[in-house]
Amino acid sequence: EAQVTQNPRYLITVTGKKLTVTCSQNMNHEYMSWYRQDPGLGLRQIYYSMNVEVTDKGDVPEGYKVSRKEKRNFPLILESPSPNQTSLYFCASSLFWGTGRNTDTQYFGPGTRLTVL
Amino acid sequence: AQKVTQAQTEISVVEKEDVTLDCVYETRDTTYYLFWYKQPPSGELVFLIRRNSFDEQNEISGRYSWNFQKSTSSFNFTITASQVVDSAVYFCALSEWDSGGSNYKLTFGKGTLLTVNP
Repeated sequence: EAQVTQNPRYLITVTGKKLTVTCSQNMNHEYMSWYRQDPGLGLRQIYYSMNVEVTDKGDVPEGYKVSRKEKRNFPLILESPSPNQTSLYFCASSLFWGTGRNTDTQYFGPGTRLTVL
Repeated sequence: AQKVTQAQTEISVVEKEDVTLDCVYETRDTTYYLFWYKQPPSGELVFLIRRNSFDEQNEISGRYSWNFQKSTSSFNFTITASQVVDSAVYFCALSEWDSGGSNYKLTFGKGTLLTVNP
């Protein structure tokens, strides 16, 4: 079954305590990305990756790091979380749409609700 | 810079009505991609469609249809004979495709909350 998994699903942490949210896909997709969703601000892209070892910033990358050492995994790292990073986070994967067909689907993980106290 | 505007914050309809969700975009690129996503009350995100800028053909998928018009920079989404299960927040998004192959950022509109009442 095609899926994107995220862990943890829920996390409450304290300011400054490093954390990693994992994202894994089983579809051999090149493109993976991270988004955060906040009330009133909608969805905003944090980082994306077009393939292994290729990552780039989205609209709101400050305070986040990512890595893409393997095609299937794209972890989101918060080195020193702050309360303004309290949000709902989604990971997604798809074929690289520059070469993909219009019928290709983008798959989302179930979301990670993060609270930073 | 790319920008997506969904002017309708909330729409409420009665079941079986047709409803159109508007999406207007801004981009300087000639090559770009447009998307629609659905987020039902349960919170997951569901991809609905991706359309590239070279393909202005309208798309129909069951009760869903999309009207892409470059002349008005719009990519509107119509649900025909709406159902209660269509109640969700719908997001439109844009991705520019830099000719140098370096920009695949995705920018979202603020979303439209659609409520379909029985």
